[in-house]
Amino acid sequence: DAGVIQSPRHEVTEMGQEVTLRCKPISGHNSLFWYRQTMMRGLELLIYFNNNVPIDDSGMPEDRFSAKMPNASFSTLKIQPSEPRDSAVYFCASSSDRGNQPQHFGDGTRLSIL
Amino acid sequence: AQSVTQLDSQVPVFEEAPVELRCNYSSSVSVYLFWYVQYPNQGLQLLLKYLSGSTLVKGINGFEAEFNKSQTSFHLRKPSVHISDTAEYFCAVSDQDINDYKLSFGAGTTVTVRA
Repeated sequence: DAGVIQSPRHEVTEMGQEVTLRCKPISGHNSLFWYRQTMMRGLELLIYFNNNVPIDDSGMPEDRFSAKMPNASFSTLKIQPSEPRDSAVYFCASSSDRGNQPQHFGDGTRLSIL
Repeated sequence: AQSVTQLDSQVPVFEEAPVELRCNYSSSVSVYLFWYVQYPNQGLQLLLKYLSGSTLVKGINGFEAEFNKSQTSFHLRKPSVHISDTAEYFCAVSDQDINDYKLSFGAGTTVTVRA
């Protein structure tokens, strides 16, 4: 199995630009999670989907952030407009739809907003 | 809602020495427990999980953890570490609720193994 695939691995862009992060979950997994990791705040859950439907987006920082899952094999996290404080590593994870199943993480996107 | 406390933010240890990483959790319901490892510039990888049954759980790379319900703890141990065990370790918990798939993570423990 290819695992969770995220792209790009690195993104450097200027403040105010739109940023789109992409994720392909493991085939057959029903749940998909977006996390943000920073030194100050650690690992934060931003949003998660089950069967392509957003279940909990209470972790999304503000309206500049949006996430979609148009089908079972693809999700995006978009930031528009981006700000320097959005700089972080963003992880996508997927799991089968049971709480006792572990989440499988991608290698992350390291985002730098200048 | 659950919360996880990892009691040590940094643990330096010499190669071939034992290591223990402490994790305590709080929850109003029964939980599942996990330990993940994160190597530099990588995502999190599952080390081991406790779902039910035996309270001593063995994982990959020689790690094991013990679930203690009365103390609400899930400490991770390895009897002899290698340089390659240098990484950040995260304890995580999820509710045993069929409709809740979220994990709550601790702040992480950085293990640095020295020769």
